[in-house]
Amino acid sequence: SAVISQKPSRDICQRGTSLTIQCQVDSQVTMMFWYRQQPGQSLTLIATANQGSEATYESGFVIDKFPISRPNLTFSTLTVSNMSPEDSSIYLCSVEEVRGGDTQYFGPGTRLTVL
Amino acid sequence: GQQVMQIPQYQHVQEGEDFTTYCNSSTTLSNIQWYKQRPGGHPVFLIQLVKSGEVKKQKRLTFQFGEAKKNSSLHITATQTTDVGTYFCAGEVTGGGNKLTFGTGTQLKVEL
Repeated sequence: SAVISQKPSRDICQRGTSLTIQCQVDSQVTMMFWYRQQPGQSLTLIATANQGSEATYESGFVIDKFPISRPNLTFSTLTVSNMSPEDSSIYLCSVEEVRGGDTQYFGPGTRLTVL
Repeated sequence: GQQVMQIPQYQHVQEGEDFTTYCNSSTTLSNIQWYKQRPGGHPVFLIQLVKSGEVKKQKRLTFQFGEAKKNSSLHITATQTTDVGTYFCAGEVTGGGNKLTFGTGTQLKVEL
């Protein structure tokens, strides 16, 4: 399966600032997704990162708050904008491989704390 | 919107006991997947079920997909301490663009 890395692995940020999280895959993938997992909770899909076009956001998530880029088939970024303590969470990217069927493989996650 | 619930939320067992988690979707699914997340880790894919009534086994783990493709279960026989973690089911709806809706999860603790 694809090897996925995320940067940073964790960060502590001040209210009102923005953080960009990077997701890098070692092979070309068809689909890339961004999830949020709040402490002790399940995973919630933020958006699907589409290569070469605007991301597709789920209900409750907007582009102004979570801008996403996907310039190629191996890389994506998620920005958490104008952060508040409620944004403290783990942010995970996941991928579907070209020949991997519908299964998703997750990156190690970025643990974000907003003060 | 689509909801996927799991029960129980938590389960404590003695090593060697069996464990089962149940997953129920509010809508019919095209397939269901199971993931395991160790404490401090990220979700790791375990298996995918596609056919109505399908049963798959992985060593001590048995996965089942319901006839109506709206529910699923994971059964672990003779639990070991290495089974500790949170088990999530994740459902995909036909025409949903490969998106997964994750269940609420079952946290398993195994005591010696």
